Amino acid sequence: GAVVSQHPSRVICKSGTSVKIECRSLDFQATTMFWYRQFPKQSLMLMATSNEGSKATYEQGVEKDKFLINHASLTLSTLTVTSAHPEDSSFYICRRDQYFGPGTRLLVL
Amino acid sequence: GQNIDQPTEMTATEGAIVQINCTYQTSGFNGLFWYQQHAGEAPTFLSYNVLDGLEEKGRFSSFLSRSKGYSYLLLKELQMKDSASYLCAVRDSGGYQKVTFGTGTKLQVIP
Repeated sequence: GAVVSQHPSRVICKSGTSVKIECRSLDFQATTMFWYRQFPKQSLMLMATSNEGSKATYEQGVEKDKFLINHASLTLSTLTVTSAHPEDSSFYICRRDQYFGPGTRLLVL
Repeated sequence: GQNIDQPTEMTATEGAIVQINCTYQTSGFNGLFWYQQHAGEAPTFLSYNVLDGLEEKGRFSSFLSRSKGYSYLLLKELQMKDSASYLCAVRDSGGYQKVTFGTGTKLQVIP
């Protein structure tokens, strides 16, 4: 069965609103989780590394104030897309070790 | 950093065998992964190699040569459902053990 879950699987929101995506490790504790974004027909792009109990590490070009990551427990990391805009519409996927979550498809109108 | 190369597209016939190659240049190496990704879905873990040699798992096998910076994924007895993108990914040996993904090989299985 799945070892990493994400919620929601799909979200549609208005431009300017914030959206929170949850990533849960179901079987083991995870001190580190990774967040990716994938646009249609493009490669996976690492956005940030989520570290339990400390600040996330963001990849170059990713706005840390726009994509807020919180890893408050050993089984949960959250990604909040603040003031979302249509260009943020994408497929957001988290990873723990070798396992990916099922992904969250975000559509910003 | 990491640089990963794999073919963009491949086509193979149902029931046949296909080999998807991956070459990499790395500043540090701590394992290579293969994933399958169907359109619109998240990647699914297929295999992991950290030592040289062949790892077999059912219809799928993965090979690694660290000295050559080379890996391949072998799919046997191809089925139509194997049509997907196959991603090669390399983990470095740094503190966060960052994983870098190739752009993927889109495999089309035809009858």
